[in-house]
Amino acid sequence: SAVISQKPSRDICQRGTSLTIQCQVDSQVTMMFWYRQQPGQSLTLIATANQGSEATYESGFVIDKFPISRPNLTFSTLTVSNLSPEDSSIYLCSAEITGNYGYTFGSGTRLTVV
Amino acid sequence: TQLLEQSPQFLSIQEGENLTVYCNSSSVFSSLQWYRQEPGEGPVLLVTVVTGGEVKKLKRLTFQFGDARKDSSLHITAAQTGDTGLYLCAGPSGSSNTGKLIFGQGTTLQVKP
Repeated sequence: SAVISQKPSRDICQRGTSLTIQCQVDSQVTMMFWYRQQPGQSLTLIATANQGSEATYESGFVIDKFPISRPNLTFSTLTVSNLSPEDSSIYLCSAEITGNYGYTFGSGTRLTVV
Repeated sequence: TQLLEQSPQFLSIQEGENLTVYCNSSSVFSSLQWYRQEPGEGPVLLVTVVTGGEVKKLKRLTFQFGDARKDSSLHITAAQTGDTGLYLCAGPSGSSNTGKLIFGQGTTLQVKP
């Protein structure tokens, strides 16, 4: 199954700055997904990233705050812009495991905004 | 709106005990998945159930998909400390092939030695 390398694993950022998270998949995947998770809680989908088209955002998430790039079938980035303490969370990327009805996830980025 | 309700939310048991986690919905799902997540890691797929009434076993873990495909359960026999983690059920969102998943609220399991 696909393996996703996500970085950074954690960061502490000043409010008002931005953080870009990268995910590299070891095989080509059509769709990649970005989630946000509070520690110990469930996952909330931010957006779906398809190669060659704009990302599709879920209700409550906007492109200006969470710009996403998907330059090819193995890579995606999520930027969290104009950081505030409320953005402190774990961010995860994901891709479908072909033929297995399941998904593989990156190891997550724990963001703390101070 | 599709929802997956997991119960219990928290479970603290002694090593060797058995437990069951439930994942329920009023909606029919084409499949349901179970994931386990440990601190500092992303969720890892344990199993996908596809057929109503299906039972799958993964060592001491038994997964069942309800006959009507609206619910699923995870049963762990003789829990071990290594089973500690956050357990999440998930299912495809909507009828179209968007690839999106919806997740249950999660069950935090602590197995004490």
